Amino acid sequence: IQMTQYPSTLSASVGDTVVITCRASQRISGRLAWYQQKPGQAPKLLIHKTYTLESGVPSRFSGGVSMSAATEYSLTIYNLQPHDSATYFCQNHDRSPFSFGQGTKLEIK
Amino acid sequence: QVQLVQSGAEEKRPGTSVMVSCEASGYTFTNNDISWVRQATGQGLEWMGWVNPGSGNTGYAEKFQGRVTMTRSTSLRTVYMELSSLTSEDTAVYYCARMRRGEGDFDLWGRGTLVTVSS
Repeated sequence: IQMTQYPSTLSASVGDTVVITCRASQRISGRLAWYQQKPGQAPKLLIHKTYTLESGVPSRFSGGVSMSAATEYSLTIYNLQPHDSATYFCQNHDRSPFSFGQGTKLEIK
Repeated sequence: QVQLVQSGAEEKRPGTSVMVSCEASGYTFTNNDISWVRQATGQGLEWMGWVNPGSGNTGYAEKFQGRVTMTRSTSLRTVYMELSSLTSEDTAVYYCARMRRGEGDFDLWGRGTLVTVSS
């Protein structure tokens, strides 16, 4: 299963809303996770099963799936904060191989 | 404290093998599969495979079949990842990550182990 994530880089201002998209090469039954990784740190799980936020993750983070393309998933971050600056990865957690997208580097201006 | 503690950085010569360990604490060791994920500097995340700490069953990504071995010690609450026939392309940070039970997402990560392959 190939995961195609875009854009690869994103620059936005504090208070903005951004959307990161991830397309799976096959249906993955909504089993799509999102991770945040800051430099020098391990990834941190934000969302699993498309929509479910991990405990402690702010509600400014929201996962979704396209109504028209069931293999296209999204991560929306509302009201961007300076500490949201990080690289974000999607991951297929439906079946092996549990592949990741290439990552989106988010810069806060 | 719920955590995964990994072994320290390694420097290896091409053609040799490396073993990285990952000790689990704060939860029932046999309840969750453990995966290994690696990341070359400035690159993305690459899933390598998983091991079930209870049964010892494993599943490997096709790319690493024949070159990776994942094992565990239940008495030490530790899983191991051995990668053989190292090349410079294997230089990366290697992470162990706990898989949520019944799912395939990774809800707990080790801090990573840097493996450098250089002649």
